[in-house]
Amino acid sequence: SQQGEEDPQALSIQEGENATMNCSYKTSINNLQWYRQNSGRGLVHLILIRSNEREKHSGRLRVTLDTSKKSSSLLITASRAADTASYFCATDAGNSKLTFGKGITLSVRP
Amino acid sequence: DVKVTQSSRYLVKRTGEKVFLECVQDMDHENMFWYRQDPGLGLRLIYFSYDVKMKEKGDIPEGYSVSREKKERFSLILESASTNQTSMYLCASRQQGYEQYFGPGTRLTVT
Repeated sequence: SQQGEEDPQALSIQEGENATMNCSYKTSINNLQWYRQNSGRGLVHLILIRSNEREKHSGRLRVTLDTSKKSSSLLITASRAADTASYFCATDAGNSKLTFGKGITLSVRP
Repeated sequence: DVKVTQSSRYLVKRTGEKVFLECVQDMDHENMFWYRQDPGLGLRLIYFSYDVKMKEKGDIPEGYSVSREKKERFSLILESASTNQTSMYLCASRQQGYEQYFGPGTRLTVT
């Protein structure tokens, strides 16, 4: 059961550009999280935003959450080739497990 | 730093073999998870455990079982491996309400 739906499925940008990825979900959540996965590796946690927060920053990452629209966005500013990866959103509805989307493939061209 | 380790990065097994995938976490997390990841299908939850000796089925438990005898260790067992279980297997752990930590993954090939 996949609650988080990321958009677009794939994104290709030039180094230095900003990358914006979106996530929509269906039910009430306690928090929403974004993860990155480099090819063939495990997922790495990037940022967690709680339901009472609207925006959060971490380095070049900016995450917004709109609980009224049940959506979140992840913005990566001044992208680098090393940002090439898959990005996943995950929702925490307050039970033990997170629900992950299918992921967005980001390619950053040097 | 939280560490989640998995016993093997790559594993090749024959059809019908019993396969054990081991996962260990060092942060005293109560929740541990096993996922498989296949192209185009995203992460699919196989089983999770919220305490020692406690387990719950995820979305695709058929053909798998799990064991959690100690808090830090969560094992995934393929009772009789089949070719459709060829996949990337990811273990993870978390404290409820917080972020999840993943192991590096085990790429299992069943021939």
